[in-house]
Amino acid sequence: ETGVTQTPRHLVMGMTNKKSLKCEQHLGHNAMYWYKQSAKKPLELMFVYNFKEQTENNSVPSRFSPECPNSSHLFLHLHTLQPEDSALYLCASSQVGPTDTQYFGPGTRLTVL
Amino acid sequence: ELKVEQNPLFLSMQEGKNYTIYCNYSTTSDRLYWYRQDPGKSLESLFVLLSNGAVKQEGRLMASLDTKARLSTLHITAAVHDLSATYFCAGETGANNLFFGTGTRLTVIP
Repeated sequence: ETGVTQTPRHLVMGMTNKKSLKCEQHLGHNAMYWYKQSAKKPLELMFVYNFKEQTENNSVPSRFSPECPNSSHLFLHLHTLQPEDSALYLCASSQVGPTDTQYFGPGTRLTVL
Repeated sequence: ELKVEQNPLFLSMQEGKNYTIYCNYSTTSDRLYWYRQDPGKSLESLFVLLSNGAVKQEGRLMASLDTKARLSTLHITAAVHDLSATYFCAGETGANNLFFGTGTRLTVIP
């Protein structure tokens, strides 16, 4: 595997379910990110992990819970979601430095019924 | 919070023509990024612009940055069908925080 991978690619869940999204980066980067991409809205940064420590939490509801066990893996735990949480969830990674380009995974298409 | 506005939101252009996508941002941005997204695919990094007057070119795409005007442009030269995609610009305000524009959906027609 190369680059940034995400599983599952598609997920349908009820509002009472608990599920987790997984992201893995194979680039040796030291920062990882979760974004939400909804229709007709800009990409929204949700969480930033820099050297495995969460540095940003942009007012994300507590029903989204991130976990970063090491610099290569990032999880997004989901519980009691709402239909408006349906979106494409993108993971990205970067090497903190002068250019700091973020490399994105393919995303998980989440549908909340 | 950094606000990023792109225009146009939709662009339909004929093959062989030139066009420019504009990206305005509201406050000082450390860097300016351009990404491409194909339907059903993830974002692909195109350019990183680091300073005022920066210009980068890759094939038929050229990006520039004017930090005084808080404006970046993505110029398309002699468009081809393969360039059809959604293009995003993003500004950064330190600590790895990227703020994205809403994207410009480009369709190149024969």
